[in-house]
Order: sequence, then C-alpha cells, then structure tokens
Amino acid sequence: DAGVIQSPRHEVTEMGQEVTLRCKPISGHDYLFWYRQTMMRGLELLIYFNNNVPIDDSGMPEDRFSAKMPNASFSTLKIQPSEPRDSAVYFCASSFRAFSSGNTIYFGEGSWLTVV
Amino acid sequence: EDQVTQSPEALRLQEGESSSLNCSYTVSGLRGLFWYRQDPGKGPEFLFTLYSAGEEKEKERLKATLTKKESFLHITAPKPEDSATYLCAVQAGGGSYIPTFGRGTSLIVHP
Repeated sequence: DAGVIQSPRHEVTEMGQEVTLRCKPISGHDYLFWYRQTMMRGLELLIYFNNNVPIDDSGMPEDRFSAKMPNASFSTLKIQPSEPRDSAVYFCASSFRAFSSGNTIYFGEGSWLTVV
Repeated sequence: EDQVTQSPEALRLQEGESSSLNCSYTVSGLRGLFWYRQDPGKGPEFLFTLYSAGEEKEKERLKATLTKKESFLHITAPKPEDSATYLCAVQAGGGSYIPTFGRGTSLIVHP
C-alpha cells in the first residue's frame, strides 16, 4: 500500500496568494482528516470527512480556509488569501471506520507551507 | 473538555539508558489510546493502540502500558535511531470520537 500521499511536499508562496494542498488517502479508507502542526500549537485537527462528506470543520481557523473531497481518492485544502501566520506543516490522514474500536489514523508525509 | 498532557517535553538520554515517557489524560470513557512516532520532516507513524487499563504492547525496545489515568512508553536500552518525537492521542467515547493529540515528547539519544 502506498500510504497517504500529499502534494506538494514543500511550498513557498507570497502573502495574498492562493495555496492548494492535495491529498490521496489510502484506498478503502472512509475517513479523511486534515491537520495542521506548528511548534506553538502542536497538532490541530482542521476538518474531517466521512465518505466524502465534511462532518466537522470547527477547527478551520478562518473563512480563508476551505476543504473539499470530490471523490473517495482525492481531497484538497485551499487557503485564499494566504498569510504569513498560515506557515505550518499540513498533514492529511485517513482511517477505516475511524470511530470504531479505536481504529488507527494513518498520516501522510505532510506539506510544508511557508508564506512570506 | 478532553485533556492530554505529555511529559517531559524533551528528554536526552545516553545510548543504553532506559527511561519512560508519560501521557496523562482526562476523558470521559476511553475508547483507545494511541502512540505515534514522528521523525523530523515526516508524518506521525503509528506505534500502538491500547484499549483498557492493564494492557501492554511491545515493539522492539518500546513497551506501552496503560492505567486509568495515564500511559507510559518505556524505552529499554535506547539507540540513537530511537531519537524522534513521540505523540500520544486519546480517543474518547460519548459522542465525539475524534482523537485528541498531546504536544509530544522530543527524545534525543546520544551515542
């Protein structure tokens, strides 16, 4: 299994530009999560999907952030417009029946975003 | 509100010097406690899931244990390649099953 695949791995962009992060979850997994990790706040859950439907986006920091999952094998996290404080590592993760008997969440390698 | 606290924040060990990392939690109805390892520049990698007090899991030099209030990750005779950040996450019952992550313990093992 290829695992959770994220792109780009690194992105440097100027303030005000649109940023799109992409994710391919593990085949067969029905839950997809977007996390953000910073030194100050640790690992934060931004949003998660179940069967391509957004379930909880309460962690999305502002309206500048949006996420979509058009099908079971692809999701995007978009920031528009980007700001320097959005600089962080963004992780996509997936799971099968995440809320059943403590099923494991598998993480991608992350997208390292720097907004200058 | 569910709380997960890891200690220490950072730990430096000499190769072969055994120690333990702590993850204390307050949740209503534990469904599962997870340990992850995160190497620099990588995503968290799953290590163990523990479900109930008294349970233990082992993998190479690592052993995870669970009580009603905390979990320990014991590292026996660590090697430099064990250097990483170790994250604990807790999944509670009672409605929201989203795992809550701790801030992690950064472990450095010196040769």
